[in-house]
Amino acid sequence: GAVVSQHPSWVICKSGTSVKIECRSLDFQATTMFWYRQFPKQSLMLMATSNEGSKATYEQGVEKDKFLINHASLTLSTLTVTSAHPEDSSFYICSAWDRAKNTEAFFGQGTRLTVV
Amino acid sequence: GDSVTQMEGPVTLSEEAFLTINCTYTATGYPSLFWYVQYPGEGLQLLLKATKADDKGSNKGFEATYRKETTSFHLEKGSVQVSDSAVYFCALSDPGANSKLTFGKGITLSVRP
Repeated sequence: GAVVSQHPSWVICKSGTSVKIECRSLDFQATTMFWYRQFPKQSLMLMATSNEGSKATYEQGVEKDKFLINHASLTLSTLTVTSAHPEDSSFYICSAWDRAKNTEAFFGQGTRLTVV
Repeated sequence: GDSVTQMEGPVTLSEEAFLTINCTYTATGYPSLFWYVQYPGEGLQLLLKATKADDKGSNKGFEATYRKETTSFHLEKGSVQVSDSAVYFCALSDPGANSKLTFGKGITLSVRP
């Protein structure tokens, strides 16, 4: 099956610094990637939809200047958490849609971000 | 808008017990339905899916049937194992919504030996 690789799997950073998370589709082209955030014991909240070569579409309530999303190629999307604060600590997961199949999303392993 | 409602958890079962996890949905279009599983410390994995009414998705002994009349997609397994302990998410994808997934809150299943 299709593989989505997310890196890093966990990261600890200091308040005020920025952190970049990468999401790669390894064996397929993904015109669309999604970024989710998961709070403890809660469901995944869609943050934004990333389309290759265009600006990301953010969900209501998500600060686009804080969560910068770039989708420069059909196999790579990045999420940068700028000026991170402890409340940004969370589990971030990306998913990618297979252009050929277009019937299911494939998820990365997730990134556990802890801001201290 | 679209929504997915899952039964409240957590659920604790003994090994070899029967499992049912309820899931109902509301959608404006004709969605595809999914169950995802998240094992401890890992990302989500697709467990099974169904794309039209009366379809039955199955995988690893789990089954779910797309019931349009009751807008449900309940997950079942006849005999659970300790290794099934995980968080289970029901989700839908509305074809008209650019393939975005809408998830339920998830339910934690713990299986005791």
